[in-house]
Amino acid sequence: EVQLVESGGGLAQPGGSLRLSCTASGFTFSNYPMNWVRQAPGKGLECVSYISSGSRNMYYADSVKGRFTISRDNAKNSLYLQMNSLRAEDTAVYYCARGGPYGGSFYPDYWGQGTLVTVSS
Amino acid sequence: EIVLTQSPATLSLSPGERATLSCRASQSVSTSLAWYQQKPGQAPRLLIYDASNRATGIPARFSGSGSGTDFTLTISSLEPEDFAVYHCQERSAWPRITFGQGTRLEIK
Repeated sequence: EVQLVESGGGLAQPGGSLRLSCTASGFTFSNYPMNWVRQAPGKGLECVSYISSGSRNMYYADSVKGRFTISRDNAKNSLYLQMNSLRAEDTAVYYCARGGPYGGSFYPDYWGQGTLVTVSS
Repeated sequence: EIVLTQSPATLSLSPGERATLSCRASQSVSTSLAWYQQKPGQAPRLLIYDASNRATGIPARFSGSGSGTDFTLTISSLEPEDFAVYHCQERSAWPRITFGQGTRLEIK
């Protein structure tokens, strides 16, 4: 069974930092690209970052570029999101999601339960 | 950047009725569109990919159609467990992906 478990969320002050982790099991983690997707309270979903299976390619949404860094450790079946210079608008539930192969490309197919990040003074 | 607009924002129906949800893209995404179901406190669940293909384990009452800029998710006969929020998502410029704002399907 595919499982993704996020951790590391919590309360941070504006300008502060947090590091999110996502631990994967039930599939060969090193074969799949991964995403971080967030959902602000009462809002829609936003993909903030992506990393390819071998860490060669990464993507960041404009809203987090220069502040967030995605990484992965395939030996530990783990995905990370280092979040610096946090802002109130970064408050959201953060999900890690696997990029499953469909029709020659990818869709986020399995998602974790999410970890809540609250940025407030 | 492609913008996805979902309508209606809220849809009120009764169990057994047919639900039709719409997703419109600001420019063509061909058939690079997915639908997700999200229940309160839960992660999204992939229902449909490439506009019309059901993901593994998804019941046949869920179907997707459309191409270009206009897409539809149809639930043929609503079951009590189908009341949730539905999101569309495009991947035409993977890894940049965008989501619609969601349609809430509630019990009438």
